[in-house]
Amino acid sequence: NAGVTQTPKFHILKTGQSMTLQCAQDMNHGYLSWYRQDPGMGLRRIHYSVAAGITDKGEVPDGYNVSRSNTEDFPLRLESAAPSQTSVYFCASSYSMGGELFFGEGSRLTVL
Amino acid sequence: AQKVTQAQTEISVVEKEDVTLDCVYETRDTTYYLFWYKQPPSGELVFLIRRNSFDEQNEISGRYSWNFQKSTSSFNFTITASQVVDSAVYFCALSGSARQLTFGSGTQLTVLP
Repeated sequence: NAGVTQTPKFHILKTGQSMTLQCAQDMNHGYLSWYRQDPGMGLRRIHYSVAAGITDKGEVPDGYNVSRSNTEDFPLRLESAAPSQTSVYFCASSYSMGGELFFGEGSRLTVL
Repeated sequence: AQKVTQAQTEISVVEKEDVTLDCVYETRDTTYYLFWYKQPPSGELVFLIRRNSFDEQNEISGRYSWNFQKSTSSFNFTITASQVVDSAVYFCALSGSARQLTFGSGTQLTVLP
């Protein structure tokens, strides 16, 4: 059982570069979300999706884009990375919004 | 707006001691869900428990127990006879009518041998 798979686990990029964090889930969950974790701030939701074709902004969406073309995948794109986006990113899925979240292993991103 | 406060930033105990992690929440919703997650040093987030606002019964699962009190807006987590493997960051979270899952800032628990 893979659950929620995130790639890459680690990445370093320079200010202004773009990159995509991949998220895939195999539990047939409708709800997918991206969180960032920063020291002393817990986890904050960036974007979420309740179904394929539907996405919405979370608490801290600026500088990030998402898309949901199918049930399984929910990539997070940084178009022009900034040092403030240095963080650990988690993708999470749930059978419904408000249900318990199943998290991926996290992606540690450093923007120089 | 909803808010979750975990006032204890760090707690250190000696193995076999009992320890309680505090969680206080704020919400205007009458229906909501409370969660606890564990993040061990390896970094993954592990779901521990989900409780809805209409169920104030305390829950026990092995050495873990949870005390939900609506009167004080608290959802505290107790580990009995702590073990070194319990060392982790523990997050309390709240989901209300807007279905936004709001996390507290976490409590770093260190259990010393």
